[in-house]
Amino acid sequence: DAKTTQPNSMESNEEEPVHLPCNHSTISGTDYIHWYRQLPSQGPEYVIHGLTSNVNNRMASLAIAEDRKSSTLILHRATLRDAAVYYCILRDLGGTSYGKLTFGQGTILTVHP
Amino acid sequence: NAGVTQTPKFQVLKTGQSMTLQCAQDMNHNSMYWYRQDPGMGLRLIYYSASEGTTDKGEVPNGYNVSRLNKREFSLRLESAAPSQTSVYFCASSEAGVSGSMNTEAFFGQGTRLTVV
Repeated sequence: DAKTTQPNSMESNEEEPVHLPCNHSTISGTDYIHWYRQLPSQGPEYVIHGLTSNVNNRMASLAIAEDRKSSTLILHRATLRDAAVYYCILRDLGGTSYGKLTFGQGTILTVHP
Repeated sequence: NAGVTQTPKFQVLKTGQSMTLQCAQDMNHNSMYWYRQDPGMGLRLIYYSASEGTTDKGEVPNGYNVSRLNKREFSLRLESAAPSQTSVYFCASSEAGVSGSMNTEAFFGQGTRLTVV
């Protein structure tokens, strides 16, 4: 499975934008870039995903580099509720992978009031 | 909408005891997964099921067995619990299958916190 590299931790102030980086230099053509987050004592929840183009949804934006070797999750205005571990995951839906998610260590986001 | 439901939420076992963790989803998903999460770590895949009647090993299958009872239910069994199996267990489901799907969001349960003493 292709690997991702994320910073161990990041900090932000409430109501400021947050840019969470992810490197995935060995990404293959069939890998989708997924982001999940895990709030304390909860299961992971889906945030956003993309293939080649930048994506926006109600939770966040995903900016994907032109060569697809890196991406950035953007939280436009961080709230205290956004404090979580954020996982950047490459997900291959093809072949025999059956959409499995391979989690790394993720980035611990701390949001200060 | 219940999503993915796991039972029990908490469990304490003695070494050598057996138990089954239950998972059910109401989204008609083909694929289901069992993960474990140790303190301070990311999730690791134990077993997965691409469709009803099929199961396959993930990254850390030793000491576990699974059953895909029907499309809704996917259970995880510990035959002889060991302290190394103390962890939080998460079940997940998604529509991703052999043919792939654009509806690729995976849904997770709230977890079962298992302690083996």
